[in-house]
Amino acid sequence: AIRMTQSPSSFSASTGDRVTITCRASQGISSYLAWYQQKPGKAPKLLIYAASTLQSGVPSRFSGSGSGTDFTLTISCLQSEDFATYYCQQYYSYPPYTFGQGTKLEIK
Amino acid sequence: EVQLVESGGGLVQPGGSLRLSCAASGFTFSSYEMNWVRQAPGKGLEWVSYISSSGSTIYYADSVKGRFTISRDNAKNSLYLQMNSLRAEDTAVYYCARVLRGSGYYPFYYWGQGTLVTVSS
Repeated sequence: AIRMTQSPSSFSASTGDRVTITCRASQGISSYLAWYQQKPGKAPKLLIYAASTLQSGVPSRFSGSGSGTDFTLTISCLQSEDFATYYCQQYYSYPPYTFGQGTKLEIK
Repeated sequence: EVQLVESGGGLVQPGGSLRLSCAASGFTFSSYEMNWVRQAPGKGLEWVSYISSSGSTIYYADSVKGRFTISRDNAKNSLYLQMNSLRAEDTAVYYCARVLRGSGYYPFYYWGQGTLVTVSS
């Protein structure tokens, strides 16, 4: 199974900050990488797929990049509603689909 | 509007069984691959099972293989997860999730609200 490793596991930031979360795959996954946002008690929300394609309705302050094994999610100017947990997921080789362990973004 | 509504969760003793359902609406259910994903309390997301649009292809996570059975009824727009021989480590919120597009290499776009399964004596 392909292992997905996110860093950092948790992070404190302030509104207006630019933040970057990284995701590394244990083997190449081309661009078959998605990013999700999850808030407490809610289902995950798809933000980005194909490593860099912004899902419809997602604010443009979110962006993704990378291919192969190394990927990043960037939030250009943090808003209060962005404090949440973020997960990456590979859908290149399944089963199993695999998720990163999550990055919890907290208010500083 | 696409809706996925899970039901069937609850408290069950170790070794017991439970059947989860996911009622789909707002899209052509028979055209989409579906999945179950779970999340243990305070933990991350874990994919559980996949079923193709026709039901002919099925996959399971190693952690549930031989104990869980995924199925679908396209006439009823419903997805199911039969869970047998439940263990404490199966305690989680279970989500049904639809892929972004009908078939092929796509992530999960629509998710239900989740149903909590608690395995405890």
